[in-house]
Amino acid sequence: NAGVTQTPKFQVLKTGQSMTLQCAQDMNHNSMYWYRQDPGMGLRLIYYSASEGTTDKGEVPNGYNVSRLNKREFSLRLESAAPSQTSVYFCASRGAGGRTGELFFGEGSRLTVL
Amino acid sequence: QQQVKQSPQSLIVQKGGISIINCAYENTAFDYFPWYQQFPGKGPALLIAIRPDVSEKKEGRFTISFNKSAKQFSLHIMDSQPGDSATYFCAAGTNSGGSNYKLTFGKGTLLTVNP
Repeated sequence: NAGVTQTPKFQVLKTGQSMTLQCAQDMNHNSMYWYRQDPGMGLRLIYYSASEGTTDKGEVPNGYNVSRLNKREFSLRLESAAPSQTSVYFCASRGAGGRTGELFFGEGSRLTVL
Repeated sequence: QQQVKQSPQSLIVQKGGISIINCAYENTAFDYFPWYQQFPGKGPALLIAIRPDVSEKKEGRFTISFNKSAKQFSLHIMDSQPGDSATYFCAAGTNSGGSNYKLTFGKGTLLTVNP
């Protein structure tokens, strides 16, 4: 049982390049999230998807787009990367039913924009 | 604005000591208060969580104390061990019983437990 899998784990981009971070979960969870983690800033929510077919903006959505491809997959796209988007990106998922608020995180994708 | 304020930024404790990390929030709509633990190179993982209808929750050496009137909650790690050295994040969630659930994190505390 892999949980939440993110690819790639590391990526270096030049300013203006585009790329897509991939995330897949095998826990049959309804909700999925993208966070970014920067030193001294904690984790900030970029976008989330409460269920398949829906997406909503989080705290820091500018410069990003997302696609909930199906129930398992939630991708994050940078159309024109900027140095300010250098960060560690985490995907997370949350199960349906009950009242649990637990998010399950992947191991992160480390992105450097030069 | 910062919805969840966490302190201290870093903490050094001797083995066997008590580690205390504090968080405060403003939004009274928060209904779920978890603590996450993160080791270097890994994603955060849930450590312990509490809902606002209780004032304390204990799991092994880890205890959450919750003060609803003061809008504050804290993590206590008893008998701290070098293996507890990690970054700890408090968080607060809205609509934890529904589908439109969001979790807001504090900025994190880097805990170092010296042997």
